[in-house]
Amino acid sequence: DAMVIQNPRYQVTQFGKPVTLSCSQTLNHNVMYWYQQKSSQAPKLLFHYYDKDFNNEADTPDNFQSRRPNTSFCFLDIRSPGLGDAAMYLCATSRDPGDQETQYFGPGTRLLVL
Amino acid sequence: AQSVAQPEDQVNVAEGNPLTVKCTYSVSGNPYLFWYVQYPNRGLQFLLKYITGDNLVKGSYGFEAEFNKSQTSFHLKKPSALVSDSALYFCAVRDSYGNNRLAFGKGNQVVVIP
Repeated sequence: DAMVIQNPRYQVTQFGKPVTLSCSQTLNHNVMYWYQQKSSQAPKLLFHYYDKDFNNEADTPDNFQSRRPNTSFCFLDIRSPGLGDAAMYLCATSRDPGDQETQYFGPGTRLLVL
Repeated sequence: AQSVAQPEDQVNVAEGNPLTVKCTYSVSGNPYLFWYVQYPNRGLQFLLKYITGDNLVKGSYGFEAEFNKSQTSFHLKKPSALVSDSALYFCAVRDSYGNNRLAFGKGNQVVVIP
């Protein structure tokens, strides 16, 4: 089945230690998104890639970076995680960036910062 | 700016009874509306969307939603709730003015009582 895969499902890191979260997709979609979801809150868009074009949200901290080496994979890098970065990180894809396009989400990676 | 409101924090319903989760929206252009469901420690699953056409939209798992332009609402409904429908439900909107951002509501926790 075509799907969005996130690894690992759970990640524990130490305060200030860089961490990378991974997302892959078999849908062959052009757009990949990263969301941060804190407990009992709505997902918040961090950035997205349309093909190789990177689009950063204005309020995304510089601590968060992303890479998309090819169509299938997208990575979220947190350079120096703080306690406030503990959250669920959701990857999503859509065929195109149009307003009518559905976004399909992966299962998420729950990040714990010690 | 586009936004959605989900006025209730939690919806309690007895198994077998009709389930309604409320959503109202505010957009500048034509609304494109989505419903997602999230089970504990999982990603968001797409249920249904309204783009244009028939005001009653049918989706996955027996859910449907009714678009009401005059009331700017897009309530999610299911005729007969199951215990397995207990989850967090998010309404989201994009508008037709080229803003690629999907704006989520705060979510509604649905509890189906056996």
